[in-house]
Amino acid sequence: SQQGEEDPQALSIQEGENATMNCSYKTSINNLQWYRQNSGRGLVHLILIRSNEREKHSGRLRVTLDTSKKSSSLLITASRAADTASYFCATPSGNTPLVFGKGTRLSVIA
Amino acid sequence: NAGVTQTPKFQVLKTGQSMTLQCAQDMNHNSMYWYRQDPGMGLRLIYYSASEGTTDKGEVPNGYNVSRLNKREFSLRLESAAPSQTSVYFCASSEGAGRGSRSGELFFGEGSRLTVL
Repeated sequence: SQQGEEDPQALSIQEGENATMNCSYKTSINNLQWYRQNSGRGLVHLILIRSNEREKHSGRLRVTLDTSKKSSSLLITASRAADTASYFCATPSGNTPLVFGKGTRLSVIA
Repeated sequence: NAGVTQTPKFQVLKTGQSMTLQCAQDMNHNSMYWYRQDPGMGLRLIYYSASEGTTDKGEVPNGYNVSRLNKREFSLRLESAAPSQTSVYFCASSEGAGRGSRSGELFFGEGSRLTVL
């Protein structure tokens, strides 16, 4: 089954810095989604970007999608300690539900 | 608005015991899902229900059964628990029209942490 793979697996930055996470996938998609998971909690949807979009913004989040390279990136600007979490990309595959990657663990140090 | 509610939050079982994880959503969503999350493995789909009255296998269905009791509720049953089923289980729902949900946002519960000894 198609699956997004996030890179890096773990990322540690100082508060105020920008954090960039990448996602690669294998086959054509109609959209790609990013989710966040705080420790011990469920996943929360952050943003969805459609295959005909190249960039999308939501607050301090910026997502890009390059369908020619089958990749996406999530940028969190001016990070805060509260952004510490795991971030997952997810892609649908035909008629099947979302397939998730293994995630990037982000640590923001105050 | 409660969203997706899972019970129980924690459970310890002995090998061979059975149990049912319950999930309910109050968003009038058509589609519901069960995922398991293991360290280093991300989330893997166990079963899903595209609409009331239908269920389909996901990536890792062996050892599990599901019931879509009505539009609100989707339960996951372990008939004979094994240590390999120690995991965190997440229920999710989406609006999803028709079979599967190709583009919808998923709403997750807080998870059920299961340990099988």
